[in-house]
Amino acid sequence: DAMVIQNPRYQVTQFGKPVTLSCSQTLNHNVMYWYQQKSSQAPKLLFHYYDKDFNNEADTPDNFQSRRPNTSFCFLDIRSPGLGDAAMYLCATSRERGLTDTQYFGPGTRLTVL
Amino acid sequence: AQTVTQSQPEMSVQEAETVTLSCTYDTSESDYYLFWYKQPPSRQMILVIRQEAYKQQNATENRFSVNFQKAAKSFSLKISDSQLGDAAMYFCALRGGLTDSWGKLQFGAGTQVVVTP
Repeated sequence: DAMVIQNPRYQVTQFGKPVTLSCSQTLNHNVMYWYQQKSSQAPKLLFHYYDKDFNNEADTPDNFQSRRPNTSFCFLDIRSPGLGDAAMYLCATSRERGLTDTQYFGPGTRLTVL
Repeated sequence: AQTVTQSQPEMSVQEAETVTLSCTYDTSESDYYLFWYKQPPSRQMILVIRQEAYKQQNATENRFSVNFQKAAKSFSLKISDSQLGDAAMYFCALRGGLTDSWGKLQFGAGTQVVVTP
């Protein structure tokens, strides 16, 4: 089935050690999103790619970066993870960015920072 | 700014019974969409139902239906004939129009639904 895949499902890193989370999609969607979801909270949008165009949210810390080398893949890089970055990271895709375009979510990567 | 408020952190329902989840929102947009997403434990978030703001008729998807009260800015979700598989976190979400036309979702804090046998 076409889907949004995130690897790994669980990631443990050390304080300050760079980490990369991966997302891939077989839907051939133009838009890919990264959300941060802390325990018992709503998902918070970090940034999104519309094709190759990167769109950062105003309140996303510089510590978070993203790469989209091709349509199928998108990466979330955390340059120097802090304890406060421990969270579930959700990747989502949509065909376009219009109001009617449904976002499809991956299962998430749970990041633990020691 | 757009806000979405879910005032019920947790709701419990017995199998085969009905539960209603509340959601209120605020937006200055005239064109917007409202959504309910379901996030089961350790599984991906999926869309349950959506409502277009300019449509007065309430959306229905099988056992899931909404009560959309535009003037009151209320968007509740009713789950009928609850099943064990309905146990999950449910998020209400809003996607705005003119100033947010690229499709950004604003989520509420979520309501945990517990289904008891």
